[in-house]
Amino acid sequence: SQKIEQNSEALNIQEGKTATLTCNYTNYSPAYLQWYRQDPGRGPVFLLLIRENEKEKRKERLKVTFDTTLKQSLFHITASQPADSATYLCALLSGGYQKVTFGTGTKLQVIP
Amino acid sequence: EAGVTQSPTHLIKTRGQQATLRCSPISGHTSVYWYQQALGLGLQFLLWYDEGEERNRGNFPPRFSGRQFPNYSSELNVNALELEDSALYLCASSLAHTSASTGELFFGEGSRLTVL
Repeated sequence: SQKIEQNSEALNIQEGKTATLTCNYTNYSPAYLQWYRQDPGRGPVFLLLIRENEKEKRKERLKVTFDTTLKQSLFHITASQPADSATYLCALLSGGYQKVTFGTGTKLQVIP
Repeated sequence: EAGVTQSPTHLIKTRGQQATLRCSPISGHTSVYWYQQALGLGLQFLLWYDEGEERNRGNFPPRFSGRQFPNYSSELNVNALELEDSALYLCASSLAHTSASTGELFFGEGSRLTVL
């Protein structure tokens, strides 16, 4: 069956360091992979999208990589700040009339 | 531009009752998704409507149902409420789904349903 795993439930990191979050998937051929941020009690907010034919995407302090051979995406936040503390979700879309499916999320805590 | 709006913000019901949640998408968006997020858990896909039609349904019992209106707003109905239905119900909208869609979702702030 299709599965999306974010293999760290929680990640604590010192302010200023680079946070790296992982998203792995099985039995899936996503056309697009998305990353969202969710704060407690709020709806997720879209951050970045990467296409299957793209290796890397950047936006300000954020960087996403997509390896369709390893079936993995890495999400990096450089120069992390306490305000980056939140749960980060990866989501996959196979394309066309396919639903968007979310991973389990990783709760990031940036310690001052 | 207004974002996705959901109502009510909070809803308290008792077991066996029915709950109705509402969602208004961003103007120009024709696709509406519903997700359930129980406390401490991930987003579980419930329903997806696009252009007024149900496109996909998650692994939930038939007492979870919904519809999309001609103005693309949507309603989620939960019948015969059970304690485990207590959760944050999130609605999201996106542009019309085509073979070229990249599917970015824009979420509302959710409706918190508590079943006593």
